[in-house]
Amino acid sequence: GAVVSQHPSRVICKSGTSVKIECRSLDFQATTMFWYRQFPKQSLMLMATSNEGSKATYEQGVEKDKFLINHASLTLSTLTVTSAHPEDSSFYICSAVSSVDEQFFGPGTRLTVL
Amino acid sequence: SQQGEEDPQALSIQEGENATMNCSYKTSINNLQWYRQNSGRGLVHLILIRSNEREKHSGRLRVTLDTSKKSSSLLITASRAADTASYFCATGANSKLTFGKGITLSVRP
Repeated sequence: GAVVSQHPSRVICKSGTSVKIECRSLDFQATTMFWYRQFPKQSLMLMATSNEGSKATYEQGVEKDKFLINHASLTLSTLTVTSAHPEDSSFYICSAVSSVDEQFFGPGTRLTVL
Repeated sequence: SQQGEEDPQALSIQEGENATMNCSYKTSINNLQWYRQNSGRGLVHLILIRSNEREKHSGRLRVTLDTSKKSSSLLITASRAADTASYFCATGANSKLTFGKGITLSVRP
């Protein structure tokens, strides 16, 4: 099946710093990518829809200035957690949608904010 | 409460036994999907069942859908230790998915 990668897989940062997470579709183009957050032993919560060439659409309660999304090409979306705080520590997962509406998930990025 | 509520929330069985997991949802759907997630990893798509389908098979997996009851079940037959994971149902439109809380399945060798 299609492959979606995320980088980095793990990141530890100090409170107040910004962290960028990349999501790449490796063998297909994705007009739409999604970003999810998952707290321990909980389900995935959709944060935002990333659309190539346009602004991201954020879910209710997700601060767009806090979680900056850039979908600059058909194979790359980035999520930047700005001024990260310990409560932002979570597992961030992206997914990419192919031209035939199949959705493939990345392996996730574990963010720990000290 | 969330669209897509699975039960039980945790299930422990012996290798070789069958595992049945249920999911209920609240709104009308076009399809329902089941995913597996190994600890600390991303999601693996298992199976999609459309609203006009009642049952679907894929290897050791059997999924049923009852739109009148707004529920679905995932059956894993002849379970293996490697089936140990969390299982989520998901519904959605236009690729935008809403996940249930998940079921943690432990298969004892």
